[in-house]
Amino acid sequence: DTEVTQTPKHLVMGMTNKKSLKCEQHMGHRAMYWYKQKAKKPPELMFVYSYEKLSINESVPSRFSPECPNSSLLNLHLHALQPEDSALYLCASSQDRTGLTDTQYFGPGTRLTVL
Amino acid sequence: GNSVTQMEGPVTLSEEAFLTINCTYTATGYPSLFWYVQYPGEGLQLLLKATKADDKGSNKGFEATYRKETTSFHLEKGSVQVSDSAVYFCALSDLGNTDKLIFGTGTRLQVFP
Repeated sequence: DTEVTQTPKHLVMGMTNKKSLKCEQHMGHRAMYWYKQKAKKPPELMFVYSYEKLSINESVPSRFSPECPNSSLLNLHLHALQPEDSALYLCASSQDRTGLTDTQYFGPGTRLTVL
Repeated sequence: GNSVTQMEGPVTLSEEAFLTINCTYTATGYPSLFWYVQYPGEGLQLLLKATKADDKGSNKGFEATYRKETTSFHLEKGSVQVSDSAVYFCALSDLGNTDKLIFGTGTRLQVFP
């Protein structure tokens, strides 16, 4: 089973709201990722967690706050977003960050609209 | 730095036609290469991968061969179906930073009956 699940599937929020995106995998993977994808563009890496520790932050604004409560769960907390943050947010996982042939498996994404 | 170049789309084909989507890469070392597919309104699904030169990845009738001499990983399918309509992304693993996938810009495939 190579399933990564994400909730919610769709989210509409105002610029003053606080919301969270959730991602879960039960493959025993120890690396998890958040990507942002705008329409007709490839995914852009935002954050990487390895063994539940943040290992990469691609200069993402502080209004996005990731959290990895355990090895199976990854959250993305959202606060004071801007309309330009509207996008598809994808979660992915891979076995670990040290393997040279690690394959990333993606979830179905959360489509976020910021009004 | 490492990069991936894909052919511009959209690629428009009739059902049962032969498909080629070109992908070339620039990388130091020996990256792994991937094709991901994204159906409308969905996330990315791994289609196939190859981890070393001359490896052929295959899945669902699609195949691609890791060609080091031409730095290419072209995607092919002998007979496309309407259900293959999607966006296809070529990607490589950045060995200098194994957390990162370097994606191409994506190629939209439209298959008509």
